[in-house]
Amino acid sequence: KAGVTQTPRYLIKTRGQQVTLSCSPISGHRSVSWYQQTPGQGLQFLFEYFSETQRNKGNFPGRFSGRQFSNSRSEMNVSTLELGDSALYLCASSSSGTGMETQYFGPGTRLLVL
Amino acid sequence: DQQVKQNSPSLSVQEGRISILNCDYTNSMFDYFLWYKKYPAEGPTFLISISSIKDKNEDGRFTVFLNKSAKHLSLHIVPSQPGDSAVYFCAASEMGTNAGKSTFGDGTTLTVKP
Repeated sequence: KAGVTQTPRYLIKTRGQQVTLSCSPISGHRSVSWYQQTPGQGLQFLFEYFSETQRNKGNFPGRFSGRQFSNSRSEMNVSTLELGDSALYLCASSSSGTGMETQYFGPGTRLLVL
Repeated sequence: DQQVKQNSPSLSVQEGRISILNCDYTNSMFDYFLWYKKYPAEGPTFLISISSIKDKNEDGRFTVFLNKSAKHLSLHIVPSQPGDSAVYFCAASEMGTNAGKSTFGDGTTLTVKP
């Protein structure tokens, strides 16, 4: 089975621009979560999607949004980029997102905002 | 308020010795705990988990201990190998809710010296 894939792997943007990141989960997985990792910080939960519906949301401003398609692929969008948005963005998938499931992570998209 | 804390940002041990990584949590609703390992330029990979009904779970060289009264868990690696050098994240979730939302610690960088 192919793992979780994320595109692009690296991205450079300037302040004020917007960006869209993509995540393809493991085949058959319906839950996709997004996390932000910055230096010195753990993985901060952004949101989780299941069957095209956002089920959980972390404490991030409304500039961060996402969606999930019928094939479970997910996109994350950040509008009006700020320097502090520079981070590694990780997506993780699991089968149904129930309490004891392991999440499988993609390699991440490293975003640099100049 | 950081609900999952890994107070040691780094740990260095000699090959063959024991590595002990610690994690504390504050949310008493957490009842499922996981450890992930992360190499540079890769996403975290699942290592081992434990539910709150147990106080120990073992998988080969890796053992996780849970002390619910102290809200503390630890990961023991015996014997440590140079290939274990990575960042280790502790994560917690509530089994009754969605695993898609896990709360992570900041990570501990383990260096195993040959």
